[in-house]
Amino acid sequence: DAGVTQSPTHLIKTRGQQVTLRCSPKSGHDTVSWYQQALGQGPQFIFQYYEEEERQRGNFPDRFSGHQFPNYSSELNVNALLLGDSALYLCASSSGGSNQPQHFGDGTRLSIL
Amino acid sequence: LAKTTQPISMDSYEGQEVNITCSHNNIATNDYITWYQQFPSQGPRFIIQGYKTKVTNEVASLFIPADRKSSTLSLPRVSLSDTAVYYCLVGPLRFNYGGSQGNLIFGKGTKLSVKP
Repeated sequence: DAGVTQSPTHLIKTRGQQVTLRCSPKSGHDTVSWYQQALGQGPQFIFQYYEEEERQRGNFPDRFSGHQFPNYSSELNVNALLLGDSALYLCASSSGGSNQPQHFGDGTRLSIL
Repeated sequence: LAKTTQPISMDSYEGQEVNITCSHNNIATNDYITWYQQFPSQGPRFIIQGYKTKVTNEVASLFIPADRKSSTLSLPRVSLSDTAVYYCLVGPLRFNYGGSQGNLIFGKGTKLSVKP
């Protein structure tokens, strides 16, 4: 039973570019959340998707957007990349109808040059 | 969502019991307490979750006093592989879509270093 998988594992971009990160949730999970983790900090919530809609959003600008597909997988898109967007981007999945905790993937390390 | 306070770092030796205390003075009635472990360049891993009194699983125990304003994660007989950052979070167990609940708020966590 595969857990949460994210791709790519590492990515290097330059300022102003756009990036798309991908996440496949754990089997049986229908809810996907995205987090940004800067070096030395705890993860910060970006947004959460359920039934292909953004349900909750953290304090992140509109440059951060996402999508959830019918198979529950999800994408995180970031436009007009800034140096400060360099971070580990984590995807977590859960089952909306259960009391089970979120399961995290190992993230995508995004470096902005 | 309730804010948590944890020690920034702790040191221990192999074989010792480690207790990490988390303060959450503003915990709400429907909030649960959850602990995650994170190794470098990996995602957080769920350790344990509880609401009140004591919860124990195969890797840890969670002690929660009656007022629930704090909690203590207890790791028995730690090994070098327990060196990691430990996060304490509080929030509702079931995620309510469309409202202000449901996302996890992480602090900076406690960096535990286990020495031989």
